[in-house]
Amino acid sequence: EAGVAQSPRYKIIEKRQSVAFWCNPISGHATLYWYQQILGQGPKLLIQFQNNGVVDDSQLPKDRFSAERLKGVDSTLKIQPAKLEDSAVYLCASSLRQGLADTQYFGPGTRLTVL
Amino acid sequence: GQNIDQPTEMTATEGAIVQINCTYQTSGFNGLFWYQQHAGEAPTFLSYNVLDGLEEKGRFSSFLSRSKGYSYLLLKELQMKDSASYLCAVRDRAGGGNKLTFGTGTQLKVEL
Repeated sequence: EAGVAQSPRYKIIEKRQSVAFWCNPISGHATLYWYQQILGQGPKLLIQFQNNGVVDDSQLPKDRFSAERLKGVDSTLKIQPAKLEDSAVYLCASSLRQGLADTQYFGPGTRLTVL
Repeated sequence: GQNIDQPTEMTATEGAIVQINCTYQTSGFNGLFWYQQHAGEAPTFLSYNVLDGLEEKGRFSSFLSRSKGYSYLLLKELQMKDSASYLCAVRDRAGGGNKLTFGTGTQLKVEL
């Protein structure tokens, strides 16, 4: 079974530029998550989708971050404009559903450096 | 909100046993996960506890006490490849989703 795919793996941009990350979840997984992991910290949930609907985006900085999952499969996370403090690894995860024992499986992440 | 505490770093010897503790405070506890994360890689699932007690899976075991807001991950017969960060994550019912809040991770170093 293929895992969660993400691209690009690395991205370097200047502050105030825009950037987009792509995620393809495990086939059949209805729930998709985007996390931000700053060096030395645990992942922080940015947004959670159930199929193509948003379940939780309470920690998403909506003035600069946006995400979509139009067809309920792939998802894109965008930052516009980027700030220095956005430098982090952006992890995508998916789970089969939202049930009690539902495990999240993570992709390899995109390491973003903002200069 | 939630508060999750775990030690920042631990060092242990190859072949030994190490216990990584995690304490948490949450209003809507709905399960606790342990993930392993090697440097530069994604977290990988290790264990899940929702009821009190011990869950054993090979060299790894995880324990939960809901009344104490406490869990630990036990690693036996340590190997060099076990050097990694171990993340404790608590799931909360709030918001109707499967929301995980992660601790900052415990960096384990296994030495010869």
